[in-house]
Amino acid sequence: GIQVEQSPPDLILQEGANSTLRCNFSDSVNNLQWFHQNPWGQLINLFYIPSGTKQNGRLSATTVATERYSLLYISSSQTTDSGVYFCAMRAGGTSYGKLTFGQGTILTVHP
Amino acid sequence: DAGVTQSPTHLIKTRGQQVTLRCSPKSGHDTVSWYQQALGQGPQFIFQYYEEEERQRGNFPDRFSGHQFPNYSSELNVNALLLGDSALYLCASSFGETQYFGPGTRLLVL
Repeated sequence: GIQVEQSPPDLILQEGANSTLRCNFSDSVNNLQWFHQNPWGQLINLFYIPSGTKQNGRLSATTVATERYSLLYISSSQTTDSGVYFCAMRAGGTSYGKLTFGQGTILTVHP
Repeated sequence: DAGVTQSPTHLIKTRGQQVTLRCSPKSGHDTVSWYQQALGQGPQFIFQYYEEEERQRGNFPDRFSGHQFPNYSSELNVNALLLGDSALYLCASSFGETQYFGPGTRLLVL
């Protein structure tokens, strides 16, 4: 199955700093999503981005499918950005079914 | 528009018991997937239901079974509980590509 690797595993920031989270994957994909898991366990959709670039407020994401990586940018970080960030994807060739998750990046933003 | 809902929020069981978890998808969503998330790990795919049938299954034993009802809601059943089944169980619904997750059920097996 597809292998997903996220980096860094942990990230500690001061409020106001910028950060870049990376997701590498081993095969072609036809679905790639970024999620933020809050301290209560809720997975919040950030982006559906199998290719290209999207922006939503202070967050943006870029996926370069041909080079098999995706990046999540967080600008002017806030304490509420703390939590675990996951990328998840579905291997190409299937139009439904499982998302394979990475191990996550634990982000801590200090005031 | 209500999002994905799950019940119960927390559950404590003992080894060998059976458990049923429930999920109601977002309005208009016809596909339900279940995931297990152990502490410190990413969610792992259990199975997906579409049109009341199991459409795809992950690497989980037959003790894990499910059902989808005509209104698209779904149940996850786990028999003969093991200590290792303690986890956060997440339900996701979709209509098309994007999967939306519920708040999860935290299961503790003693």
